Formats: sequence, structure tokens, C-alpha cells
Amino acid sequence: EPEVTQTPSHQVTQMGQEVILRCVPISNHLYFYWYRQILGQKVEFLVSFYNNEISEKSEIFDDQFSVERPDGSNFTLKIRSTKLEDSAMYFCASSERTSGGPQETQYFGPGTRLLVL
Amino acid sequence: AQSVAQPEDQVNVAEGNPLTVKCTYSVSGNPYLFWYVQYPNRGLQFLLKYITGDNLVKGSYGFEAEFNKSQTSFHLKKPSALVSDSALYFCAVRGSSGTYKYIFGTGTRLKVLA
Repeated sequence: EPEVTQTPSHQVTQMGQEVILRCVPISNHLYFYWYRQILGQKVEFLVSFYNNEISEKSEIFDDQFSVERPDGSNFTLKIRSTKLEDSAMYFCASSERTSGGPQETQYFGPGTRLLVL
Repeated sequence: AQSVAQPEDQVNVAEGNPLTVKCTYSVSGNPYLFWYVQYPNRGLQFLLKYITGDNLVKGSYGFEAEFNKSQTSFHLKKPSALVSDSALYFCAVRGSSGTYKYIFGTGTRLKVLA
């Protein structure tokens, strides 16, 4: 069964450093998402992406964050200058396209645990 | 504003007994409702969804959920729990128009005791 994959599984970085989290969505999916889960808190939406542009973003997704689909398979989340409070599990998700927009079900990857020191 | 509540941080149930994990929601318009399960070091795995139609939906691994519009609830159920069902369960809601993002509950840890 096709799965969303994410790399790395764990990343430790120093405050102020740039990090890039990578995701390979399911191959025929065209809608992509990033969510994050701070330890002990709920999973929160960050951004959705379709047709090479952001379709929706949350207030968390400020200028320090960016997303890109650099090629036909990868979808990345970049944090330009990490802060301590960016420490979290980051989940990528994807969904199929239907005639009315994205299919309702989003399929999630295993996550990248980011620790900012 | 959309929101999801999972009132129980943890649910303990004996193996073979029925289990219920509770979820209530608040959303404008018709809700799309989902249950996901997270095993250690794994991603969020889709279990089932309610979009429209029959209020009782069946999903993976013998799980089912009942949509109750008047009580704005979408409780997850299974007639006979297995030890292997022990995991973290998340309820999520998506609005039916204008947004595709999920709003998640805080999660409920299910512990099935042998």
C-alpha cells in the first residue's frame, strides 16, 4: 500500500539554524499538507499546498516557514531560523484530487521529530 | 470556529470487552469527521470517516463510529478490544467548504489490558 514517507525521522539543530524537512507524498496525490504536534499538545495545521502554491495557512505559519515542491516527488518544509518553540513532531500529509477539490481523507507520514537546542 | 474535544486522556479496557473513545465537535456547516490511530514511532493511520449518509460508519481493524448530529458527537467503538488496539487515537474534523485543513482533538490513549 502506498505510504507518505518523511526524512529525517529525527533532527537536532541549534537555535537560529535553518532546517529542511522532507516528505515524499503518495505518488498520484496533488494536495499536500504540513501539521505539527508539540509534545503533549494537539496536532495543529500549518499549511496546505496545491498546484505549486499555498492554498491555506495557519497563523503559526509565519515568515520563518516556507514550503516547496522542488521536483515531482518531494515536498519540503523549511524553517529559516529555528526557535526553541519550533521543537515538535512535524507531519506531512497528502490527498488525492477530485473534481471538487481534495479528497476528504488525508494520508499522513510517520513524522519528523525536530529538537531545537 | 471549528473545534474537537476528546474528553478522556486515557481509556482502559479489558481485552474482549467493548471499547468507546469519545469525540465531540463544533463546526459550521456539515462536518467531515475522521478517526486516526497512532502507534509508537508511526504516523497517523486513517481508521474511518463520516462524510454523509449512514450515521454508523465502519472502518479498519473492526472499528466503527457513530455520527450523532444532535449531540455533535462521533464516538469510536469496537465490540471486542484486542491488546494490539492499544495506541493513541485522534479525532479530527474538517469543514465541508472553504477549508481543507483538519482540526484535531488532543488524542486519547487506549490501553487494552490482557
